[in-house]
Amino acid sequence: AQTVTQSQPEMSVQEAETVTLSCTYDTSESNYYLFWYKQPPSRQMILVIRQEAYKQQNATENRFSVNFQKAAKSFSLKISDSQLGDTAMYFCAFMKHSGGSNYKLTFGKGTLLTVNP
Amino acid sequence: NAGVMQNPRHLVRRRGQEARLRCSPMKGHSHVYWYRQLPEEGLKFMVYLQKENIIDESGMPKERFSAEFPKEGPSILRIQQVVRGDSAAYFCASSAGWNGYEQYFGPGTRLTVT
Repeated sequence: AQTVTQSQPEMSVQEAETVTLSCTYDTSESNYYLFWYKQPPSRQMILVIRQEAYKQQNATENRFSVNFQKAAKSFSLKISDSQLGDTAMYFCAFMKHSGGSNYKLTFGKGTLLTVNP
Repeated sequence: NAGVMQNPRHLVRRRGQEARLRCSPMKGHSHVYWYRQLPEEGLKFMVYLQKENIIDESGMPKERFSAEFPKEGPSILRIQQVVRGDSAAYFCASSAGWNGYEQYFGPGTRLTVT
């Protein structure tokens, strides 16, 4: 079974600064996907970024980038130029990539990020 | 281009009543996933359905919970004889095909059992 651990229950950052959220995972799989989801106060789950484990290059989406360390099973999210709208709960998630199993997301407990003006 | 729709957004039920949660996937999507988020927790997978088929229900509690995705109409998550521990947010996601790595989530239904 896979597990996802987010060791920072809460974090805060000043507007326009950079913040990094940590995530580690445990799996015996060699092929998988990793995700960061954002859940603002509206509770809507929004995909921030996705990384395929076979790709060495770290994924980037505008101000959001990841540091994927496969050997260390670490997948951190960096948010640059933080904005007030980034205030949300952030969830790290894992999905196997094997045969017909590309669907079950396993989530961490989340990190509540507050961006202060 | 409508996203995943869930209704109701909020549902209050007394202990022992039934709860029915509905999910309409994105247009063109025929795969639906249900997740439950307990307070202070991440989402946990419950069930994966395709039209008229349950593909994986390994995350569903053995009793009182059932899910369906009929040929016509929304997917339904049904909880019979609700208890206080069923209070949670229930999220539905959908995808276009077998590769579920592109799951689009609905806004969730918050169930409160009094």
